[in-house]
Amino acid sequence: SAVISQKPSRDICQRGTSLTIQCQVDSQVTMMFWYRQQPGQSLTLIATANQGSEATYESGFVIDKFPISRPNLTFSTLTVSNMSPEDSSIYLCSVARGQDYGYTFGSGTRLTVV
Amino acid sequence: DAKTTQPTSMDCAEGRAANLPCNHSTISGNEYVYWYRQIHSQGPQYIIHGLKNNETNEMASLIITEDRKSSTLILPHATLRDTAVYYCIVTNYGGATNKLIFGTGTLLAVQP
Repeated sequence: SAVISQKPSRDICQRGTSLTIQCQVDSQVTMMFWYRQQPGQSLTLIATANQGSEATYESGFVIDKFPISRPNLTFSTLTVSNMSPEDSSIYLCSVARGQDYGYTFGSGTRLTVV
Repeated sequence: DAKTTQPTSMDCAEGRAANLPCNHSTISGNEYVYWYRQIHSQGPQYIIHGLKNNETNEMASLIITEDRKSSTLILPHATLRDTAVYYCIVTNYGGATNKLIFGTGTLLAVQP
């Protein structure tokens, strides 16, 4: 299955600032996904990012708060903008690798906003 | 919203089989059943998936009922390292709903 590298693995940020999370995949993939996992909760899908098109956001998530870039088939970024303590979560990227392989997840970025 | 229902938690003795149930009564004909697990502080790990036939791999077996409204993940010989949250997800891979929507999952605690 795909190898996904997420950076940074963790960060502590001041409220009001922004953080950009990078997701690098070791092979070309069409579909990439960004998730948020709040403390003690399950994963919530933020958006789907396909190369060459605008990201599709799930209900409750907006582009101004979580802008996403997908410049090529192996890379994507998620920015968490104007952060508040409520944004403290683990953010994960995921890729779809084909029907026989399902979806692969990165190890996540643990964000703490103070 | 998640399309599956799972028990909140389960216990299993080490070395015994762990049977994790999942209800997906509204599954449609082209949707697959996927199982993932998440060990504390790690990203979800793929376990197995199936459409209508039972499936087995090196990690687990997946039993899907004939009407496809429920399934069971079987870990044949649970170890302490299998303690994790297990998620059952239905998705139309490759279709318009090609994404994983996570429910609350089952916390499996393997006891020594």
